[in-house]
Amino acid sequence: GNSVTQMEGPVTLSEEAFLTINCTYTATGYPSLFWYVQYPGEGLQLLLKATKADDKGSNKGFEATYRKETTSFHLEKGSVQVSDSAVYFCALTHQAGTALIFGKGTTLSVSS
Amino acid sequence: KAGVTQTPRYLIKTRGQQVTLSCSPISGHRSVSWYQQTPGQGLQFLFEYFSETQRNKGNFPGRFSGRQFSNSRSEMNVSTLELGDSALYLCASSLEGLAATGELFFGEGSRLTVL
Repeated sequence: GNSVTQMEGPVTLSEEAFLTINCTYTATGYPSLFWYVQYPGEGLQLLLKATKADDKGSNKGFEATYRKETTSFHLEKGSVQVSDSAVYFCALTHQAGTALIFGKGTTLSVSS
Repeated sequence: KAGVTQTPRYLIKTRGQQVTLSCSPISGHRSVSWYQQTPGQGLQFLFEYFSETQRNKGNFPGRFSGRQFSNSRSEMNVSTLELGDSALYLCASSLEGLAATGELFFGEGSRLTVL
């Protein structure tokens, strides 16, 4: 069945460091791919998305490219800030695009 | 505008009891989905309601049920609670559903503890 695997962390970085959170998926068909973020004390919110192969989603300095050949959607940011500390979830669409399948989440902690 | 509101935020129940959780979506949103979040299984899809009809259902037993009202507010119910039902229950809303808009807006969740 469809599934998402992401590094669980925690990931601990210093401010301005480069970030990569790996995400790979297994899916039939052509799912859309997402990164959601959950800041402390808040609900999940969409960070970026890509709907077809080779699409690049980007937002707030974060980027991820839909790689069908490697079934990956790795999240990257060139220079993290303390305010980026949060839990990041990789997800793909399921059930004809009506529901999400999530990875387990990766906790990122950035220190100044 | 106001976000997705879930009540109660925290609750404690004992095995065998039943519980009802409430979700008020963003104004104008007609689709409401429910997810269960546990440390072991992560986030799992429960069901989606659209215009008062259940449109999709995840792989959960019949003890988990829900409904949606004409104002799009939704409730989910879990009967005959088990210890394994302890989780954070997240509600998410969208205008027409994930397939149409590509984005869900999540509430902060209701944390259920079953003793």
